[in-house]
Amino acid sequence: GENVEQHPSTLSVQEGDSAVIKCTYSDSASNYFPWYKQELGKRPQLIIDIRSNVGEKKDQRIAVTLNKTAKHFSLHITETQPEDSAVYFCAASKQQGGKLIFGQGTELSVKP
Amino acid sequence: ETGVTQTPRHLVMGMTNKKSLKCEQHLGHNAMYWYKQSAKKPLELMFVYSLEERVENNSVPSRFSPECPNSSHLFLHLHTLQPEDSALYLCASSQGVRADYGYTFGSGTRLTVV
Repeated sequence: GENVEQHPSTLSVQEGDSAVIKCTYSDSASNYFPWYKQELGKRPQLIIDIRSNVGEKKDQRIAVTLNKTAKHFSLHITETQPEDSAVYFCAASKQQGGKLIFGQGTELSVKP
Repeated sequence: ETGVTQTPRHLVMGMTNKKSLKCEQHLGHNAMYWYKQSAKKPLELMFVYSLEERVENNSVPSRFSPECPNSSHLFLHLHTLQPEDSALYLCASSQGVRADYGYTFGSGTRLTVV
């Protein structure tokens, strides 16, 4: 079955710096890759996703890149702000019958 | 309100107790999920329901028993749990059993087994 590895497990950056979180997946048939943000004590929320027919997607300060050959995808946050502090989860699935398999999560801390 | 409501928010139960977690969605979705979130671990998929039928059971112990009486409600019945079952239990829903339809999560039930 699918396995998703996420690194790093914790990440601390200064406000204004960039943050990058990386994930690898094992099932080459996976073709949908969302990222979820979970603030302390709150539910996970989808922040951005990418499908396998696209190499990069951007939404304001957040971008995701996908390398299908290497089976890895990354989340990039630029100009980080304290409110970006949260746990970020990557996930992978096949679009048909596609349950989400999550990575272990990255706890991002943005210091003012 | 997110559209997916879970109750209770917190639950403490003894190992011999029987309790139930409830999830309700008002989004018109027809697929619902139970996930377990333990510290330092990925979100673990437990059960998937589509159109009120269980379509996936990820080797979950029988002390967890799901129930989906209709497409808006999902329950997780708990009995004779172990301390290692303490975790955040998250319910999610989606329009269909396809991840790219988008999952909406509830706020979770924080379960402590003593």
